[in-house]
Amino acid sequence: DQQVKQNSPSLSVQEGRISILNCDYTNSMFDYFLWYKKYPAEGPTFLISISSIKDKNEDGRFTVFLNKSAKHLSLHIVPSQPGDSAVYFCAASAPGAGSYQLTFGKGTKLSVIP
Amino acid sequence: GAGVSQSPSNKVTEKGKDVELRCDPISGHTALYWYRQSLGQGLEFLIYFQGNSAPDKSGLPSDRFSAERTGGSVSTLTIQRTQQEDSAVYLCASSRIQGNEQYFGPGTRLTVT
Repeated sequence: DQQVKQNSPSLSVQEGRISILNCDYTNSMFDYFLWYKKYPAEGPTFLISISSIKDKNEDGRFTVFLNKSAKHLSLHIVPSQPGDSAVYFCAASAPGAGSYQLTFGKGTKLSVIP
Repeated sequence: GAGVSQSPSNKVTEKGKDVELRCDPISGHTALYWYRQSLGQGLEFLIYFQGNSAPDKSGLPSDRFSAERTGGSVSTLTIQRTQQEDSAVYLCASSRIQGNEQYFGPGTRLTVT
C-alpha cells in the first residue's frame, strides 16, 4: 500500500518554462512534507519542505503548494534550468513518535531541455 | 563541513555471504537513518537511531538484517546470508534531532550475484 504516490515517472520541460511535479498521499496523519532532489550516483538532497499548517512555501525558484483536502502537493520550479534535471522525490512524515520516519514516493525524473 | 559519508560505494558479493555497510553521519547529528532503494522504487525506511539506541527496527526486512551505532556516531548495517533480492542502493541519512530535515549520504550500491 503506497502512502505517497508520484504518478508521473518522468517529465520533460523546456528551459525557462515552469516545471510542476505532483505528489498525492493517502495517510491523513501526515503533517510534514518534503521534496528531495537526486542526481545519479548521489544521495537525495533536501530541497524544500512544508508543514500542514501552511498551504504554500517558497524558496527562490522553488515553491511547494499543499492542498490538504485533496491530499495533494506540488513542487513548482520557475524558471526551469538544465541543472534542475534530476529525480525528485516527495516525502511525508506523521507527528509524534513516527516523525523520524519519512515515507517516500517513487520519484519523478525531470529533464529540462536547453 | 563534511557531509554524510558511506563506504563502500559499491559492493558485489556472492549469494550467501555476509556484508557490512558503513555510515559516518554529519558531526553533531544525533539521529541516523538507514533506507534502501530497490530498482524503480522509492526509498524504503529500514531503521532509525537516536544516539546509540534504535527505538524502531520494524523496517528491517528480515532477521538477516541488523544495525548498530557506536559512540553516537558511526553506524554499521550488516546483512547476513545475502540473497539476490537484497540487491539495492543502501542510503544513510542523519539529522540534528528527530524529525528534522535529513541529510543523505551517496549510498552503497549492493549487488548480490
